[in-house]
Amino acid sequence: NAGVMQNPRHLVRRRGQEARLRCSPMKGHSHVYWYRQLPEEGLKFMVYLQKENIIDESGMPKERFSAEFPKEGPSILRIQQVVRGDSAAYFCASSRRDRSIVNTEAFFGQGTRLTVV
Amino acid sequence: AQSVTQLDSQVPVFEEAPVELRCNYSSSVSVYLFWYVQYPNQGLQLLLKYLSGSTLVKGINGFEAEFNKSQTSFHLRKPSVHISDTAEYFCAVSSGTYKYIFGTGTRLKVLA
Repeated sequence: NAGVMQNPRHLVRRRGQEARLRCSPMKGHSHVYWYRQLPEEGLKFMVYLQKENIIDESGMPKERFSAEFPKEGPSILRIQQVVRGDSAAYFCASSRRDRSIVNTEAFFGQGTRLTVV
Repeated sequence: AQSVTQLDSQVPVFEEAPVELRCNYSSSVSVYLFWYVQYPNQGLQLLLKYLSGSTLVKGINGFEAEFNKSQTSFHLRKPSVHISDTAEYFCAVSSGTYKYIFGTGTRLKVLA
């Protein structure tokens, strides 16, 4: 049973380009969470999605960032017109149920390291 | 608002020595506490968690942590470390929602 798969592992983009980060949850998991880790900071919640629904995007920057989790295929975090400040590690986690249910464990991917040059 | 502080960004320790990684949190409500480990080139893995009950929590790989409500701490300990414990360790807190708050991480480097 493969774990949470994120790709690419490393992504380099020039300022103004688009970045697309993919997350394939574990088999049987329908809840996906994206986190961002800026240099010298802890992981910060960005968005929580279930299949075809955005449940909570309160941690997403208001502009240029979007996320989706379609019925088929991986979850995508999309960053348009990237800037240097978007350079960070982006982690995806998945769970079988809503993590607010006690004892529901979320499994994390290896992360995508985005570098904007 | 909740926050987590991991004061030590790096902790070097010799093999077979004990180690303590510190974690302090602040919250106005009851919390659940977690430690995650990230080995090189891998995702975060849950080490242990405190939900309720006994304040001493045992996790995988010989790690344990003690919840101290008065000190608002949840320090991670291991009596004897191995080279394979070299990794980054993250403390996290949740008030029962999916919005976990993570600390900045502590890099544990075990020296031969």
